[in-house]
Amino acid sequence: NAGVTQTPKFQVLKTGQSMTLQCAQDMNHNSMYWYRQDPGMGLRLIYYSASEGTTDKGEVPNGYNVSRLNKREFSLRLESAAPSQTSVYFCASSETHSRGRSKEYFGAGTRLSVL
Amino acid sequence: TQLLEQSPQFLSIQEGENLTVYCNSSSVFSSLQWYRQEPGEGPVLLVTVVTGGEVKKLKRLTFQFGDARKDSSLHITAAQPGDTGLYLCAGYNAGGTSYGKLTFGQGTILTVHP
Repeated sequence: NAGVTQTPKFQVLKTGQSMTLQCAQDMNHNSMYWYRQDPGMGLRLIYYSASEGTTDKGEVPNGYNVSRLNKREFSLRLESAAPSQTSVYFCASSETHSRGRSKEYFGAGTRLSVL
Repeated sequence: TQLLEQSPQFLSIQEGENLTVYCNSSSVFSSLQWYRQEPGEGPVLLVTVVTGGEVKKLKRLTFQFGDARKDSSLHITAAQPGDTGLYLCAGYNAGGTSYGKLTFGQGTILTVHP
């Protein structure tokens, strides 16, 4: 039972480069989320997808784009990476979009450094 | 801006000791969740509390939601090395948006020494 799988686990980029972080869940969940985690700041929501075919901005969407490719997959794209985007990125999924009530399952994270 | 302040930020104790982690805010939350995160892994939900004054127990862990739903505490009895990790609280408020807002605290790093 894989749960939420993120790739890659580690990535180093130069300023201005682009990349896509991949996320897939095998729990048939409707909702998926992308967070970033920075020291001393907890987790902050970047984008979310309440259901297949929909995406919406979270608290810190600037510099990112997302695609809900199908029910299983939700990708996060950095078009032109900046040092401020150095962070640990987590993908999560939940059965329903009832935040704060439903259980969110997290992947193991992608550690991104932008030089 | 809703803020959740966790204290202490760091806690280093010996196996068998008791400890309490606090999560405080000036805002009222509809519900509050506690997560534990181990190094190199994502957070794992421990509990959700939704009613003011609610107390939930999970083996040696006791979670309490404040009467006014502005604060919460996590108490661990007879800590074990396996309790080591980052503990995060997260408060939810439906607010006026379509998705609500889940605000995470900065976390408490707990180390339990054998």
